[in-house]
Amino acid sequence: EVQLVESGGGLVKPGGSLRLSCAASGFTFSNAWMSWVRQAPGKGLEWVGRIKSKTDGGTTDYAAPVKGRFTISRDDSKNTLYLQMNSLKTEDTAVYYCTTFMTTVTTNYFDSWGQGTLVTVSS
Amino acid sequence: SYVLTQPPSVSVAPGKTARITCGGNNIGSKTVHWYQQKPGQAPVLVIYYDTDRPSGIPERFSGSNSGNTATLTISRVEAGDEADYYCQVWDSNSDHPGVFGGGTKLTVL
Repeated sequence: EVQLVESGGGLVKPGGSLRLSCAASGFTFSNAWMSWVRQAPGKGLEWVGRIKSKTDGGTTDYAAPVKGRFTISRDDSKNTLYLQMNSLKTEDTAVYYCTTFMTTVTTNYFDSWGQGTLVTVSS
Repeated sequence: SYVLTQPPSVSVAPGKTARITCGGNNIGSKTVHWYQQKPGQAPVLVIYYDTDRPSGIPERFSGSNSGNTATLTISRVEAGDEADYYCQVWDSNSDHPGVFGGGTKLTVL
């Protein structure tokens, strides 16, 4: 059974930094493309970014609102996905979900989801 | 960037059929995926590739996609189906390719 467990959320001041982690189990993490999706309180879902498997290049892509401030990385030896968030803004306040990322030639979607971790950016 | 439009709410009586729409410009040329999110829980994939169901999702859930509208249909609605539902596409030509609809709150009367 796929399990994704996020951690690292909390309260941070505007302009601050935070690193989220996602511990994965139940599948071959090193072969998986992974993604982060966030949800502001009472709002809808928003894609944050994704990382390919190392065998597929290990490259990353980000949504426009976080590009240049957020960095996704992975440690396949630890089966762990990371989201480094810098220069945080109040509008980054959200629950952050780690997901597996299914990719084909024509489409991509989010297969399994973690339970999420809350990030609050406030002074 | 590509925009997906969902009705904010849909209400249905138990045992009836609920239809949740997702509108987008020529969405029929794209592939649509649907997620269910119950209160306080993470989203769950319920339909992918327009019509396919992941294992464990009841056959009561089905999807269609044509023209400018994709539809999630839930037959014989149960109280446990009450949730928010989100459609999603991948718009490779955009700088924000992972696109979600605004979500629809399904209320079981």
